[in-house]
Formats: sequence, structure tokens, C-alpha cells
Amino acid sequence: EIVLTQSPGTLSLSPGERATLSCRASQSVNSRDVAWYQKKPGQAPRLLIYGASSRATGIPDRFSGSGSGTDFTLTIGRLEPEDFAVYYCQLYVRSPLYTFGQGTKVEIK
Amino acid sequence: QVQLQESGPGLVKPSGTLSLTCAVSGGSINSGNWWSWVRQPPGKGLEWIGEIYHSGRTNYNPSLKSRVTISVDNSKNQFSLKLSSVTAADTAVYYCAREASSGYSLGYWGQGTLVTVSS
Repeated sequence: EIVLTQSPGTLSLSPGERATLSCRASQSVNSRDVAWYQKKPGQAPRLLIYGASSRATGIPDRFSGSGSGTDFTLTIGRLEPEDFAVYYCQLYVRSPLYTFGQGTKVEIK
Repeated sequence: QVQLQESGPGLVKPSGTLSLTCAVSGGSINSGNWWSWVRQPPGKGLEWIGEIYHSGRTNYNPSLKSRVTISVDNSKNQFSLKLSSVTAADTAVYYCAREASSGYSLGYWGQGTLVTVSS
């Protein structure tokens, strides 16, 4: 089973700052299979990025994804107040089909 | 726009069976996509439970496979989850979701429903 490790666990930043979130897979994966989600309390997860770097419909362009092999990154260009949330990376593989990282919390500094 | 809505008991007794239904609107469950269940225990991360295709074909998380059954009712445009022999560790918010049109991710989600396992 491939394990996803996200870092840091918590990121303390101010609005307007740039956020860089990391997701590392325990073995090399296909970029096609990597996605990122935003999760706020009391709300459903929201797909932000699929295929490692493609923005989902309606996602602002301050969100960008990159990476290949074992290392993937979600970047939020300039943090807006509504961006403070928990972010999860996800891998689509066989058994289990969807594996999630443990999450990175982006909190207001 | 596809919308999903979970429903079912919010309280289940230990050793009992958790049963939830996901009603799909704004689209057909026969759309050629896979339909999933995902859960999030309080204070923890997301865990994928399993998925179903409109034909009834399923895939399950090996960690839950022995206790999980996912079924589909095409006539009612809904699919269901049953989790047997529940314990307090199964207390979580349960989400139903649909794979994204691009595949390999989950693009549509229900709002989630909290299920507590307690006597």
C-alpha cells in the first residue's frame, strides 16, 4: 500500500501570504492519479486540483498544483480569508482505490 | 449539476449495522461514473470506504471489506452503504461522492451525515 505523507502538519500564515503544502508518496506514482481537496468544518471536501496540476471547475487561479514521481505540491498564491482550512492530497491506486494524506491545516497567524 | 444527499440513522448501537442511503439528483446514477462512500472520524482524516458502478460492480477498502456492503438502486437513483459489527471507532461523518468527470478523483460530494456508535 502506498502511503501519502503531508507536510507540514500546520501552516500558520497571514492573509496575502503564499502557502506551500507538500505531499510525498512512499513510492513513485502517476501524476494523473494525484488530487488535492480543501476541507472546512461542517462542509464537504472540495476538489481543487486533479491530475496533480489541473484546476477543477470554478477553482480560483491562486490555487496551483505541481510535482511528479513521489513529490507533489499545492501552492496558494495569495491567501484569502476563505482559504484557511485543512488540505488533503489524494492518490488513486488499486486497493484501496483512494488513499488520502493526513492533511495540512492552514491557519491564520 | 449533480447533487448528492446522505440519509440514515444518526445513532447506531455497538455491534449493530450502520445503514445509509445517498440520493442522487441532477443526474443519473447510470451516468457511467463510480459512486463512493468516504468517512471522517472526529478530529481525523478522510478514509475511503468503497465504490459502486450502476451495474452493481463494487470495490472496497481492504481494511473494511469484511464488514461493508454497497448496493445500488437504479430505479430510485440512489446507492446505499451497510457497515456491520460497528464499534465506537466507526463514529464518523459519512460522505457519499461521485468520481470527477476527469476520473481519478472525487468531484461531487454530499454534505455528509454524522453517525455515532453508542449504546
